[in-house]
Amino acid sequence: NAGVTQTPKFQVLKTGQSMTLQCAQDMNHEYMSWYRQDPGMGLRLIHYSVGAGITDQGEVPNGYNVSRSTTEDFPLRLLSAAPSQTSVYFCASSYARGYEQYFGPGTRLTVT
Amino acid sequence: EDQVTQSPEALRLQEGESSSLNCSYTVSGLRGLFWYRQDPGKGPEFLFTLYSAGEEKEKERLKATLTKKESFLHITAPKPEDSATYLCAVPVPSNTGKLIFGQGTTLQVKP
Repeated sequence: NAGVTQTPKFQVLKTGQSMTLQCAQDMNHEYMSWYRQDPGMGLRLIHYSVGAGITDQGEVPNGYNVSRSTTEDFPLRLLSAAPSQTSVYFCASSYARGYEQYFGPGTRLTVT
Repeated sequence: EDQVTQSPEALRLQEGESSSLNCSYTVSGLRGLFWYRQDPGKGPEFLFTLYSAGEEKEKERLKATLTKKESFLHITAPKPEDSATYLCAVPVPSNTGKLIFGQGTTLQVKP
């Protein structure tokens, strides 16, 4: 099993550009989530999904969209990048809500 | 307010010097507590799940324990490769699957 995979590993965007961070898992997990990690702020939840076709907002959803059309994939879309979105983004998955979450390797995003 | 607090923020140990990291929580109806290890530039790596007071889990030099108000991660005779940031997390009571993470303890083990 590859576990949770994320692409790209690094990305530089200009303010106003849009892009999609990809996340996939091959463990048939129901639950998937996106976090951002910033120095001094810890891990903050952006969006999550309890199953295909179901998504909901986390703590810091503004400026991000998600969809979950399949069990395996959970892409995160930045609509119009802003410097405040410079961060490291982690995707995670778990068997179901309440179980331990397994994290991907992260995407380091810089918005100039 | 549901909260998870880890202490200390940073810990420096000599190789072989055992110590403990603390994770205290204020969450009603605990549904589990998770420990993770995070190396620089990488995603958190799952270590342990603890569900009830008195439960213990071990892996190599690490042992995690749980009481009604806190969890400890005991590191016995650490090696430099144990250097990392250790995070603990608990599910929010609403059963949405969301996790509340502590800020982490950064451990440095010197040879």
